Amino acid sequence: LAKTTQPISMDSYEGQEVNITCSHNNIATNDYITWYQQFPSQGPRFIIQGYKTKVTNEVASLFIPADRKSSTLSLPRVSLSDTAVYYCLVGARDDKIIFGKGTRLHILP
Amino acid sequence: EAQVTQNPRYLITVTGKKLTVTCSQNMNHEYMSWYRQDPGLGLRQIYYSMNVEVTDKGDVPEGYKVSRKEKRNFPLILESPSPNQTSLYFCASSNSGGRHSYEQYFGPGTRLTVT
Repeated sequence: LAKTTQPISMDSYEGQEVNITCSHNNIATNDYITWYQQFPSQGPRFIIQGYKTKVTNEVASLFIPADRKSSTLSLPRVSLSDTAVYYCLVGARDDKIIFGKGTRLHILP
Repeated sequence: EAQVTQNPRYLITVTGKKLTVTCSQNMNHEYMSWYRQDPGLGLRQIYYSMNVEVTDKGDVPEGYKVSRKEKRNFPLILESPSPNQTSLYFCASSNSGGRHSYEQYFGPGTRLTVT
């Protein structure tokens, strides 16, 4: 099981680009990296998933270096509505899915 | 509309009174799962199911039961609820669990209080 380490919290300002890095030193060859966003009292929402290099969708970009021991979620030009908890997930143990504590992102006006 | 539904959304009950929280998905997903979320502890998986009649324990299964008799439904059963099961519960589904952790769709949550 690849344990993930993320910052507990981050602050940023509206209009800025925010980068949240997740460390996963023990990632296995077949593991994918998945990020979720969660607002208070709501279920997590899938943001992006990748295996290597760079993935981009309409919401975010995911950067994965060649060694895959870390990944960075990039949110362009954040707004107040991006204030949420962001979770990095890597692979699964057997068929279990493990969420870490996540990163609490606070966007300031 | 693709969705995961849970019922009830809010429930207050007393210790020892059996209850069931229903979960249903309309996406023909094979993998379904239950989580509980508590302050400071994040999301923890209770049980999961890879397909009909196939269920397995997550990280915190004690005090819970599940069944998967139909692909779309995955009820969570608390035979004898206790106050330490007071929590926010989420049901989720996806095309596959396993190492790829495919995109999961989460329900709106059930807030359970056991007094």
